[in-house]
Amino acid sequence: SQTIHQWPATLVQPVGSPLSLECTVEGTSNPNLYWYRQAAGRGLQLLFYSVGIGQISSEVPQNLSASRPQDRQFILSSKKLLLSDSGFYLCAWSVDLGGYTFGSGTRLTVV
Amino acid sequence: AQTVTQSQPEMSVQEAETVTLSCTYDTSESDYYLFWYKQPPSRQMILVIRQEAYKQQNATENRFSVNFQKAAKSFSLKISDSQLGDAAMYFCAFTGTASKLTFGTGTRLQVTL
Repeated sequence: SQTIHQWPATLVQPVGSPLSLECTVEGTSNPNLYWYRQAAGRGLQLLFYSVGIGQISSEVPQNLSASRPQDRQFILSSKKLLLSDSGFYLCAWSVDLGGYTFGSGTRLTVV
Repeated sequence: AQTVTQSQPEMSVQEAETVTLSCTYDTSESDYYLFWYKQPPSRQMILVIRQEAYKQQNATENRFSVNFQKAAKSFSLKISDSQLGDAAMYFCAFTGTASKLTFGTGTRLQVTL
């Protein structure tokens, strides 16, 4: 069966520190992968999506970057975190238009 | 670009009653999918129901059903026999040929005794 793993669940980082969030998918090949951010009490904003290894599309200019070093691995990074990077980050995958599966999320607090 | 609008930031329903959450969208595509997701306090995104645009029949999943009006670009969610466990944020979402899921701003549903 297909599963998605996202870690860590909670992260507290100081301003200016680097960030690396990882997401991996099991049980499927060549999925579309997505990173979303949800600010407190707000909807989900698409940050990055990838349709294949090394193919990254950015939706919103920001302090973050994404990489897909392997078919089922998607990484969200930052070299220097800002206070405004705080939020809830969700990874998701799909293989067709009809189904999207989300990870359990990472709550990031930048202090 | 596609947009999804949920005009009800909060809704309240009594247990066992019926509630309808509204959603409108804007797209020039003819083939797409629409979704309703539930986000409980755990913040896990749970698929409630989905609708394929080319299907005229409204989707149903147990107590959850949709009213899909393609010409009006409207996609409302009806929850029947509401239960305390239905309390959550509900997000309407759209995906088309770009394979990107676009969300509305959400509706917080409260269920009262």
